[in-house]
Amino acid sequence: DSGVTQTPKHLITATGQRVTLRCSPRSGDLSVYWYQQSLDQGLQFLIQYYNGEERAKGNILERFSAQQFPDLHSELNLSSLELGDSALYFCASSHDRGRYGYTFGSGTRLTVV
Amino acid sequence: GIQVEQSPPDLILQEGANSTLRCNFSDSVNNLQWFHQNPWGQLINLFYIPSGTKQNGRLSATTVATERYSLLYISSSQTTDSGVYFCAGFTNQGAQKLVFGQGTRLTINP
Repeated sequence: DSGVTQTPKHLITATGQRVTLRCSPRSGDLSVYWYQQSLDQGLQFLIQYYNGEERAKGNILERFSAQQFPDLHSELNLSSLELGDSALYFCASSHDRGRYGYTFGSGTRLTVV
Repeated sequence: GIQVEQSPPDLILQEGANSTLRCNFSDSVNNLQWFHQNPWGQLINLFYIPSGTKQNGRLSATTVATERYSLLYISSSQTTDSGVYFCAGFTNQGAQKLVFGQGTRLTINP
């Protein structure tokens, strides 16, 4: 157990729907990062939050949004889902802004049908 | 340009063999890490190795930051070592983030 908890582990949903992925960081970690891993794109950075504030944005679609709550857990919201959104979504956390190492959760496998 | 490049893309070995995986990284990347993604998709942090050498059991890693490369050594491979090995580095280009190589898929046959 890495200490980073992601739920749910698996999610199957239809095109056009909206889902929410949840991440609880390791105790004491202030930064949360979201990554998408699809077959053809590898691991792509989506977005980072640090202590409740958005700090960095990567290749995140406008249909996707995220937030980090006062208790430091984070949610990634994916809407108007398309088949191509099927992927593994990882959350990672770090104590600082990530320069000294990330710890990843076990991921949420999203299948859009 | 490519910030983190891994080789080889695929490696198939017999149980008991040794292997060396390579990661080249650009000037804009530092603070290397190695990860193992097992067949169930879990990403396991193996080493945080910005420079120097570290060892953990049958695995060891060396980063030569001045020459922009890192090596992961696996000795006496076991079938449970199978999976994809990623190196990743921290970059300040654009958003501050960890950027990943495309991975080396390692298959250890019994």
